[in-house]
Amino acid sequence: GDSVTQMEGPVTLSEEAFLTINCTYTATGYPSLFWYVQYPGEGLQLLLKATKADDKGSNKGFEATYRKETTSFHLEKGSVQVSDSAVYFCALRYNQGGKLIFGQGTELSVKP
Amino acid sequence: DVKVTQSSRYLVKRTGEKVFLECVQDMDHENMFWYRQDPGLGLRLIYFSYDVKMKEKGDIPEGYSVSREKKERFSLILESASTNQTSMYLCASSLGYDEQYFGPGTRLTVT
Repeated sequence: GDSVTQMEGPVTLSEEAFLTINCTYTATGYPSLFWYVQYPGEGLQLLLKATKADDKGSNKGFEATYRKETTSFHLEKGSVQVSDSAVYFCALRYNQGGKLIFGQGTELSVKP
Repeated sequence: DVKVTQSSRYLVKRTGEKVFLECVQDMDHENMFWYRQDPGLGLRLIYFSYDVKMKEKGDIPEGYSVSREKKERFSLILESASTNQTSMYLCASSLGYDEQYFGPGTRLTVT
């Protein structure tokens, strides 16, 4: 079945370091891809999305490119801040159904 | 701003109790979802609803039921709570195939 796999956490970085969180997916069709972020004590918020191959989603300095050939949607940020400390979830969705399939989440901790 | 609220942030119940988790959204969204979140497993869909009085099973519906009598409210029911239902429960809503908006979650402990 369809699935999403993320790199294991926790990931610990110093402020201003470069961030990559890997995400790969298995899907029979052509899903939309998402990154959600969960700050401590809160629900999930949509961070960015891409709806077709080679699309790049971006928001708040984060970027991810939909790579069909490698079935990947890696999240990157050039310079992380302490306020980026959160859990990040990669997800896919088929437009017909509207249901999201999530990866296991990756916890990011940024130290000053 | 879209607001999704959940009735409790923390809940402690005993094994065998009937438990109700309530979710309310204020943006007239037709779609509503219940997930549970467990470490290392991400979010898993329990039930969802595309309209009032309609419901569909998600990936892990066993031990749960839902109710949607009004468009803005979606309830998750644990008929007889068990310790393996200790988890974080997240409600979400969406308009069509648009972004899902999540509530803050209810951390349920069953002892």
